[in-house]
Amino acid sequence: SAVISQKPSRDICQRGTSLTIQCQVDSQVTMMFWYRQQPGQSLTLIATANQGSEATYESGFVIDKFPISRPNLTFSTLTVSNMSPEDSSIYLCSVEVTAGEQFFGPGTRLTVL
Amino acid sequence: AQSVAQPEDQVNVAEGNPLTVKCTYSVSGNPYLFWYVQYPNRGLQFLLKYITGDNLVKGSYGFEAEFNKSQTSFHLKKPSALVSDSALYFCAVRGPRDDKIIFGKGTRLHILP
Repeated sequence: SAVISQKPSRDICQRGTSLTIQCQVDSQVTMMFWYRQQPGQSLTLIATANQGSEATYESGFVIDKFPISRPNLTFSTLTVSNMSPEDSSIYLCSVEVTAGEQFFGPGTRLTVL
Repeated sequence: AQSVAQPEDQVNVAEGNPLTVKCTYSVSGNPYLFWYVQYPNRGLQFLLKYITGDNLVKGSYGFEAEFNKSQTSFHLKKPSALVSDSALYFCAVRGPRDDKIIFGKGTRLHILP
């Protein structure tokens, strides 16, 4: 298993600003993932972040809007840039531990006014 | 492309009765299948997985799931429901050569006292 923490747990931001979300894991992992979830809805994968390489973005998500850093095997950040109310969501990071099994952080609840 | 379907938005079960939450999938090759649970205002928790071996897999909190290759299904089951099982349940699938997991839209389970 893995213990994952995220900061901040929640934030309220003004449109046009940017927020960086941090994800910290208690062990070294190769693959980290960033998801977005509307409350009570399914998870949508934003990107896959491997240490030492550029993040791989899913259709509909671009690096200019959601830049990701992965400086080492225990840490990653996701920035939500130039925010609009449509970006209001829960952002989750996860890590793959074994054979496709993922563990999730508690999430960051973002509200954009 | 892989996909997963949860045909029921909500399932209501009386406490003490057996419960089933349905899931069907589509993937090229042998699937990796997962169930996750999300309690209110909390992150996703891993319940169980199927990769190979026995078609009936047992997981956390007394849950189990049955892999049926001919019906491409992976239904979640529990013999006797508890009120505390009330939560949002996600089925997920990954192809054998994929890095990412695709989540279903979720099924809200209500256990009635």
